[in-house]
Amino acid sequence: AQKITQTQPGMFVQEKEAVTLDCTYDTSDQSYGLFWYKQPSSGEMIFLIYQGSYDEQNATEGRYSLNFQKARKSTNLVISASQLGDSAMYFCAMRVIGGSQGNLIFGKGTKLSVKP
Amino acid sequence: DGGITQSPKYLFRKEGQNVTLSCEQNLNHDAMYWYRQDPGQGLRLIYYSQIVNDFQKGDIAEGYSVSREKKESFPLTVTSAQKNPTAFYLCASSRRGAGAPLEQYFGPGTRLTVT
Repeated sequence: AQKITQTQPGMFVQEKEAVTLDCTYDTSDQSYGLFWYKQPSSGEMIFLIYQGSYDEQNATEGRYSLNFQKARKSTNLVISASQLGDSAMYFCAMRVIGGSQGNLIFGKGTKLSVKP
Repeated sequence: DGGITQSPKYLFRKEGQNVTLSCEQNLNHDAMYWYRQDPGQGLRLIYYSQIVNDFQKGDIAEGYSVSREKKESFPLTVTSAQKNPTAFYLCASSRRGAGAPLEQYFGPGTRLTVT
């Protein structure tokens, strides 16, 4: 069975500094996708960035980048130059590619607080 | 603008009543999903539908029902059989297919409180 683990319930970062949010996953499938979502206090889930299991390069999207270590089954999210608006819950998720279900398996999330 | 709408934002019901949560999308996505989120938890899948007139149970389907009569709409009914219905409900949609990435786009959610 697939599982996502986020071990940091909460993180603090100073504005303009970088922060890394950890995520490890467990799957026996070879083909899968890893996603990060941001959930502000309003509740909506906002897609941030994606990494495929066969991607050789770490994904980047603006201030977001992933530190993907396939052998360790980890995909940590790096947010550079933190802004006050980055304060939110962050969820790591996984989807098995080619599976019939298509849904995402979510971790429990990390609450990020950016301090001015 | 394309997106997903869920209504209402907040919903209050008495115990024993069925309640239907609305989800509409204009992204032309084939697949739609319902998730439940409890405080301090990630999202758990209730039901999903890959195509019109077809849907499948997710991990926590007991006490819920859905229909998919139109591509744009995927309403969720929380029945009186659901033992702990108070939660935040999120609807999502995505393109359908076996390939990557097929990210899911979410609606703003409905916060249901049952007393």
